[in-house]
Amino acid sequence: GAGVSQSPSNKVTEKGKDVELRCDPISGHTALYWYRQSLGQGLEFLIYFQGNSAPDKSGLPSDRFSAERTGGSVSTLTIQRTQQEDSAVYLCASRREIAGTDTQYFGPGTRLTVL
Amino acid sequence: GDSVTQMEGPVTLSEEAFLTINCTYTATGYPSLFWYVQYPGEGLQLLLKATKADDKGSNKGFEATYRKETTSFHLEKGSVQVSDSAVYFCALSGGGANSKLTFGKGITLSVRP
Repeated sequence: GAGVSQSPSNKVTEKGKDVELRCDPISGHTALYWYRQSLGQGLEFLIYFQGNSAPDKSGLPSDRFSAERTGGSVSTLTIQRTQQEDSAVYLCASRREIAGTDTQYFGPGTRLTVL
Repeated sequence: GDSVTQMEGPVTLSEEAFLTINCTYTATGYPSLFWYVQYPGEGLQLLLKATKADDKGSNKGFEATYRKETTSFHLEKGSVQVSDSAVYFCALSGGGANSKLTFGKGITLSVRP
């Protein structure tokens, strides 16, 4: 079946602009994660959605970052007033949520470059 | 909080050499442990996992054993191939409310023909 998909694959923006990154999880997966992969910080957790529960936003680095998940499926990560330090690869992952040990499946990522 | 420490890289080996990549962790409770691999130009893929102490995960000739007494999950392969060239990440999931993954910094493996 189809894996996790993300769009766009690459995004170049100017400092101060807003960007939206999209994630389509694997069908039937109820848990969805966003991570960020950057040279300085490695792979970091950003936010977690589980079904209709309130998301766990504990990894978001600032209030310029927000995310939503509509209809329990597609998710959008929004970064407002982008800064150069936001340049990174943003990864989305989904999991079935039968148990906490289930595998997280990752999308190919969106490479964000802030000029 | 939870953390994962991987050995420093990069690592360069000749084909058919033995590979060990060290990984140690700090976590409360009983985490699940994972190795993810990122091949050039591709996304993160699960390589293997272990969910409890003394479990051995294995895949594609790679193995790792969950050692609670040494809080380690070292990755090994008896004979590496050029196609194993990739970045390898050790990770844990604490099993808490969100089961997020905490990753090590990753290590780049290059295998020469």
